[in-house]
Amino acid sequence: GAGVSQTPSNKVTEKGKYVELRCDPISGHTALYWYRQSLGQGPEFLIYFQGTGAADDSGLPNDRFFAVRPEGSVSTLKIQRTERGDSAVYLCASSLEALGGNTGELFFGEGSRLTVL
Amino acid sequence: DAKTTQPTSMDCAEGRAANLPCNHSTISGNEYVYWYRQIHSQGPQYIIHGLKNNETNEMASLIITEDRKSSTLILPHATLRDTAVYYCIVRVLYNFNKFYFGSGTKLNVKP
Repeated sequence: GAGVSQTPSNKVTEKGKYVELRCDPISGHTALYWYRQSLGQGPEFLIYFQGTGAADDSGLPNDRFFAVRPEGSVSTLKIQRTERGDSAVYLCASSLEALGGNTGELFFGEGSRLTVL
Repeated sequence: DAKTTQPTSMDCAEGRAANLPCNHSTISGNEYVYWYRQIHSQGPQYIIHGLKNNETNEMASLIITEDRKSSTLILPHATLRDTAVYYCIVRVLYNFNKFYFGSGTKLNVKP
């Protein structure tokens, strides 16, 4: 389909392992966001890309979390030395951010559910 | 971005209008009001947004008070598929910035 695609949909890992989560945004969308959602909570902002650069990474909880978007399209969220508290649904969204004439609407993927045992 | 306050949960009978309130008393002049909803196990979905005029689309209507300190999302004929968490967000358009989602209102549409 033409929506935001996230893989894997589910990931179970052990404490201390390294994890990568992938986001394939809608073609042509210049802005890409990562959010994290814990059970019963609203999505929590992690990082925002405009093109290839991270325009705002203020939501990353610590230096174990890192995200890249090398060609301005696909993005990978990387989590090192995972901890049980990292268990959550990681949501990716993309947007056609442009001056003038856009709604500011974010298009979300279905999310990647991460479980750290 | 301004904070919003929403009730934790609401019930609505199927076929009736669902009116979801949101308080954003600290909203600034260039901040828009957005509404998203999240159906269980899915990503959030955009519903509607507005600045100061009331807005309507195929999904809902948005009523913003004249002082812009509160708004109401109206689903005119709620169905069981409208059961979801509804988030009210204020944000500067073209700010190239994040949305703060808060905890939202869980709308339960009952038969």
